Amino acid sequence: NAGVTQTPKFQVLKTGQSMTLQCAQDMNHNSMYWYRQDPGMGLRLIYYSASEGTTDKGEVPNGYNVSRLNKREFSLRLESAAPSQTSVYFCASSGLTSGRGISTDTQYFGPGTRLTVL
Amino acid sequence: AQSVAQPEDQVNVAEGNPLTVKCTYSVSGNPYLFWYVQYPNRGLQFLLKYITGDNLVKGSYGFEAEFNKSQTSFHLKKPSALVSDSALYFCAVRDPATGGFKTIFGAGTRLFVKA
Repeated sequence: NAGVTQTPKFQVLKTGQSMTLQCAQDMNHNSMYWYRQDPGMGLRLIYYSASEGTTDKGEVPNGYNVSRLNKREFSLRLESAAPSQTSVYFCASSGLTSGRGISTDTQYFGPGTRLTVL
Repeated sequence: AQSVAQPEDQVNVAEGNPLTVKCTYSVSGNPYLFWYVQYPNRGLQFLLKYITGDNLVKGSYGFEAEFNKSQTSFHLKKPSALVSDSALYFCAVRDPATGGFKTIFGAGTRLFVKA
């Protein structure tokens, strides 16, 4: 199993350009997440998808959109990139969900996409 | 609102010595707590978690953490550090009472183990 895969690994954009970050998992997990990692700030949740067909905003959703294409794939789109979106982006997935609809399982992370916006 | 604090940006220990990486949290209910490790140019890897039960949790690579409800802490420990333990460590909390799928991460603590 490949786990969680992300493409591309690196990307340089000019301000105003658009792009889509791709993420796929082969662990049959219900939930998927997009985070950004900035120095000294840890990981911040951008969007998540609790299950196929649903998406919800996280802490920092402005400037981003997501699509849960199917159970395996969860993409993140930047419609008009800004220098403030320069960051490392991580996709993650998780599996088990308790009877109360709360995910208790660990998250499995992809290798990340390093994005620079000039 | 839930939050996580890792008060030390960096922890330096000598190989063979015990190590502690500190974490405190704030949630309204009973927390789910996690530790993850990140090696250079890699994604985060799960180390251990506390959901319920025994306050002392054992995880991967000889790490353990103790849940202390009165002090709202979840410090990561290892009895004998290895040079290969050098990495960035993240504490994370999920509050099932307010948002079961939203995990809040601390800013991270860089562990440096000297040979």
